[in-house]
Amino acid sequence: GQQLNQSPQSMFIQEGEDVSMNCTSSSIFNTWLWYKQDPGEGPVLLIALYKAGELTSNGRLTAQFGITRKDSFLNISASIPSDVGIYFCAGHPNAGNNRKLIWGLGTSLAVNP
Amino acid sequence: EAGVTQSPTHLIKTRGQQATLRCSPISGHTSVYWYQQALGLGLQFLLWYDEGEERNRGNFPPRFSGRQFPNYSSELNVNALELEDSALYLCASSLAVRNTIYFGEGSWLTVV
Repeated sequence: GQQLNQSPQSMFIQEGEDVSMNCTSSSIFNTWLWYKQDPGEGPVLLIALYKAGELTSNGRLTAQFGITRKDSFLNISASIPSDVGIYFCAGHPNAGNNRKLIWGLGTSLAVNP
Repeated sequence: EAGVTQSPTHLIKTRGQQATLRCSPISGHTSVYWYQQALGLGLQFLLWYDEGEERNRGNFPPRFSGRQFPNYSSELNVNALELEDSALYLCASSLAVRNTIYFGEGSWLTVV
C-alpha cells in the first residue's frame, strides 16, 4: 500500500541538540499528524496539522504543514533523554478515502545523555 | 476523560486457535481503527469501523475480522492463528468529522 517517505530512518544525538525529521508524499495531503511511540506502548499524538503552511508548536516540538501539501517536518529543540522513541508521521490524502491514514515507517531517535 | 482502552494487555495463543481483542473508544468517538504492528516495524492498517459498519480494511486475509457494537466499542477477531500474527495490535478512535486518531496502549498477541 501507499506509504510516506519518512527520513531519517534513525538518529543518534547528544542531549541538548536539536532534531529535525520530515515526511514527503508524491500526492497532496489534507492532514498531517505526528506521533511518538515509546517501546511497547501505543503511539501518542504530538501535533496535528490541517492547513498548508500551518506551523504549530507543542513545547519543544514544532511541526509544519508544507506549502506544497506534499511534505511536513517535525523539529525537536534541546533534546532530552525522554525524547527517545520512534516518531511517526501520518497523513490523509486529498483524494480518495480520506479516513484512511497513510503512515511513514518511523524515525528512531536515540539521545545520549 | 478516559482514553482508548484495550484488553487484554497480553495474550498468548497456540497456532490454529482464535484470538479476540477488545477496544473501547474515547467517549464520543464513533470511529474505531485497528492496526497491526509487528516487532520493530511500522503500523499496518487492518480495519476501520464507523457507526457499526466496516468502512475499510487493509491487505489482510479474511481470518482477520471484527465488529463494532452499538456503544461504539469494538472487537478484533483473528482466526486460525499463525506464528506471524504475533504482534502489537493497536486500536484507535476518532470523532466522526475529524481526521485525528488517538491510540490505546495496545494488546500484545503472541502465537506459539
